[in-house]
Amino acid sequence: GQQLNQSPQSMFIQEGEDVSMNCTSSSIFNTWLWYKQDPGEGPVLLIALYKAGELTSNGRLTAQFGITRKDSFLNISASIPSDVGIYFCSSNFNKFYFGSGTKLNVKP
Amino acid sequence: EAQVTQNPRYLITVTGKKLTVTCSQNMNHEYMSWYRQDPGLGLRQIYYSMNVEVTDKGDVPEGYKVSRKEKRNFPLILESPSPNQTSLYFCASSPGRGAQPTNEKLFFGSGTQLSVL
Repeated sequence: GQQLNQSPQSMFIQEGEDVSMNCTSSSIFNTWLWYKQDPGEGPVLLIALYKAGELTSNGRLTAQFGITRKDSFLNISASIPSDVGIYFCSSNFNKFYFGSGTKLNVKP
Repeated sequence: EAQVTQNPRYLITVTGKKLTVTCSQNMNHEYMSWYRQDPGLGLRQIYYSMNVEVTDKGDVPEGYKVSRKEKRNFPLILESPSPNQTSLYFCASSPGRGAQPTNEKLFFGSGTQLSVL
């Protein structure tokens, strides 16, 4: 079953605000990935993390692999309307695991 | 263009009428899988395949069948659909097995919205 606990479940923010979401697990993982699902589309990979403590950026997005290897967070700075969607954390160990998703709504 | 193609995008059917959702990838990926997405439950894996003729159950396999006769195709079959199978379905593929960190990225199709009346 699902082993990744993602929060918050949903967020309503104003354009320009920063956003933070995180994922935790009771198990240790060697990778953390963050996907974004645009409305009506399949998830697309945003950022992949491979080492504990790693901090990686992709434009306005920043993600970190927790040093305990049991958590990860994703930050979005200066949000814009096209950031709307569902964000999923994911990892794998013999199989792929997904968080339940964070639904982001951005008010212009 | 490298992609995972699912068909159809939308499907409305009635209870008990067999249906197949097709999935094809053009990236020569070994790993393919099917997920269903329901509100508040995220992505739950139905079946997966490590390679041709190798398939295995995911977390929610009941009521579904799959086959992997060729590397590029991985159809999802609902022999007797029921209303609780109304959901958004995604096919995904990956270059290698889930245990290999360098090949763990999943490429998703655009989804199939299924309604079973």
